[in-house]
Amino acid sequence: AQSVTQLDSQVPVFEEAPVELRCNYSSSVSVYLFWYVQYPNQGLQLLLKYLSGSTLVESINGFEAEFNKSQTSFHLRKPSVHISDTAEYFCAVSDRGAQKLVFGQGTRLTINP
Amino acid sequence: DTAVSQTPKYLVTQMGNDKSIKCEQNLGHDTMYWYKQDSKKFLKIMFSYNNKELIINETVPNRFSPKSPDKAHLNLHINSLELGDSAVYFCASSPWAGSYEQYFGPGTRLTVT
Repeated sequence: AQSVTQLDSQVPVFEEAPVELRCNYSSSVSVYLFWYVQYPNQGLQLLLKYLSGSTLVESINGFEAEFNKSQTSFHLRKPSVHISDTAEYFCAVSDRGAQKLVFGQGTRLTINP
Repeated sequence: DTAVSQTPKYLVTQMGNDKSIKCEQNLGHDTMYWYKQDSKKFLKIMFSYNNKELIINETVPNRFSPKSPDKAHLNLHINSLELGDSAVYFCASSPWAGSYEQYFGPGTRLTVT
């Protein structure tokens, strides 16, 4: 069965500092991987996804994530965060063809000025 | 121009009552979902419908009954509400069943007292 573990429930960082949000998954088959972001009092929005091809994927607002098959990880990084990045971040996995997403428990990213 | 909308946004009710949550999407998507997010932010799929047909039912108590009158709407009816049903319920949609990019509504916070 699939599962996703986000190793940190909360990550506080200072503005303009780099950040890494960790995500590990377990699955017996090939997977698709996703990061979703939930801003306060809103629904989730897709941030970036890995389906195939290059293992490094990027979002339009400066986040990137790297698929590492040997370590079954899909960590999210940003070299310099802004106050507006304050949100809850969810990693998700789907077995190819499974037609559903399995989410991690989320990481709350708090940016301090 | 809300893509996925839910009503109500907040719902407070007593144990034993029956309540419904409505969801509508104006994206022309074929597939809709209901997720439950518990107090620890854990997000779990409950149901998925594709073109009004149930395709995913994740061992949810039969007190929960989804209904899809057309592919733009997916409502969730809950009978005999229990304290453990308190959560945020998210509706989502995707272009088709095999598409992993899901668009989420703003959520309905259900509190059972």
